[in-house]
Amino acid sequence: DGGITQSPKYLFRKEGQNVTLSCEQNLNHDAMYWYRQDPGQGLRLIYYSQIVNDFQKGDIAEGYSVSREKKESFPLTVTSAQKNPTAFYLCASTNRTSGTYEQYFGPGTRLTVT
Amino acid sequence: GENVEQHPSTLSVQEGDSAVIKCTYSDSASNYFPWYKQELGKGPQLIIDIRSNVGEKKDQRIAVTLNKTAKHFSLHITETQPEDSAVYFCAATSLEHGSSNTGKLIFGQGTTLQVKP
Repeated sequence: DGGITQSPKYLFRKEGQNVTLSCEQNLNHDAMYWYRQDPGQGLRLIYYSQIVNDFQKGDIAEGYSVSREKKESFPLTVTSAQKNPTAFYLCASTNRTSGTYEQYFGPGTRLTVT
Repeated sequence: GENVEQHPSTLSVQEGDSAVIKCTYSDSASNYFPWYKQELGKGPQLIIDIRSNVGEKKDQRIAVTLNKTAKHFSLHITETQPEDSAVYFCAATSLEHGSSNTGKLIFGQGTTLQVKP
């Protein structure tokens, strides 16, 4: 089955620790995105990547870092510099040149930092 | 940059009634407007989209209308069913050709729809 996987589904960390969220897709999509979802605020873009070894900041990139070493993978690191890291994180991908513009989302990772 | 406002934040209807969710956008260059449905504990899923060259699009019980002049678009769900209960997001973006197209979407704040049996 083709799709996007995110792991783990739930993640708990202590304040001051960095944590990396996994995102893998086997859809052969070129572009990948990380969103943060908070109640009442919709989805806000953290980082996105259009091709391997290249990525751009989204609207709320501070305190986050990403890498795109492989087309299939786009891990997100939530660093200790992120002031309010507790949130639901969604990864998505799309094929920008296919003529369809649907973003396919993973099931999300709920991160709780105490 | 683009800003998308979505209303209402919550909507409760009786099964069989219609539901309407409205969004406004600020950037007149936006030309693609998708709607996503998010069920509890899952990622959003595209349910319908519309491009700026049409004013309305239907897919069975759901339809989307677009008013470019007023910069607003709406989702209409008819004959609602309990399985329609979810959070709905509108989004907007400006699609460009080829490699210039980043695919970035600007989302509204979401509407929690509850369909009562």
